[in-house]
Amino acid sequence: DAGVIQSPRHEVTEMGQEVTLRCKPISGHDYLFWYRQTMMRGLELLIYFNNNVPIDDSGMPEDRFSAKMPNASFSTLKIQPSEPRDSAVYFCASSFKGARGTEAFFGQGTRLTVV
Amino acid sequence: DQQVKQNSPSLSVQEGRISILNCDYTNSMFDYFLWYKKYPAEGPTFLISISSIKDKNEDGRFTVFLNKSAKHLSLHIVPSQPGDSAVYFCAASVNNDYKLSFGAGTTVTVRA
Repeated sequence: DAGVIQSPRHEVTEMGQEVTLRCKPISGHDYLFWYRQTMMRGLELLIYFNNNVPIDDSGMPEDRFSAKMPNASFSTLKIQPSEPRDSAVYFCASSFKGARGTEAFFGQGTRLTVV
Repeated sequence: DQQVKQNSPSLSVQEGRISILNCDYTNSMFDYFLWYKKYPAEGPTFLISISSIKDKNEDGRFTVFLNKSAKHLSLHIVPSQPGDSAVYFCAASVNNDYKLSFGAGTTVTVRA
């Protein structure tokens, strides 16, 4: 398995533009997570899905952020409009039922820079 | 409000010596704890975990200790190797919840 695949790896955009980050989880995993990494706060959970259904989006910072999972093999995280403070590394991770407490598998991340 | 705290942002250790990374948590409902390792430009990867029913778990050079009364866990790496230079994240979860709460990370540098 190729692991969790995220695209793009790097994104530079201007303030006010829409940004879409993409994720393909590991096949067979039924949990998908979006995390954001910053120097100050480390890894913050933004939202997670179970069987394509959003379970907890309490970590989504503002209404500018939205996430979807239209099917088991694809998810997007959208920021509209983007702001410089959104600059961070965004990670997608997946896990599977039956692995309670076991590790989530992370993608390589998308480094977002908003100028 | 961060429920998992790693108060040391960095640690430098000589090759062959012991690395000790610390982690504190505030949520008494946490019952499973994990350590992740992250190299630059890569995603975090699972390293070792411990359930709250144990106070120690060992895997090769890595040992995690849990002190529930103090709400504290630590990761020991013995002996430290140059390849251990990375960012280490402590994480915790509550039973039946796949959501992980992470600390801010500790950057370990192993000097030759």
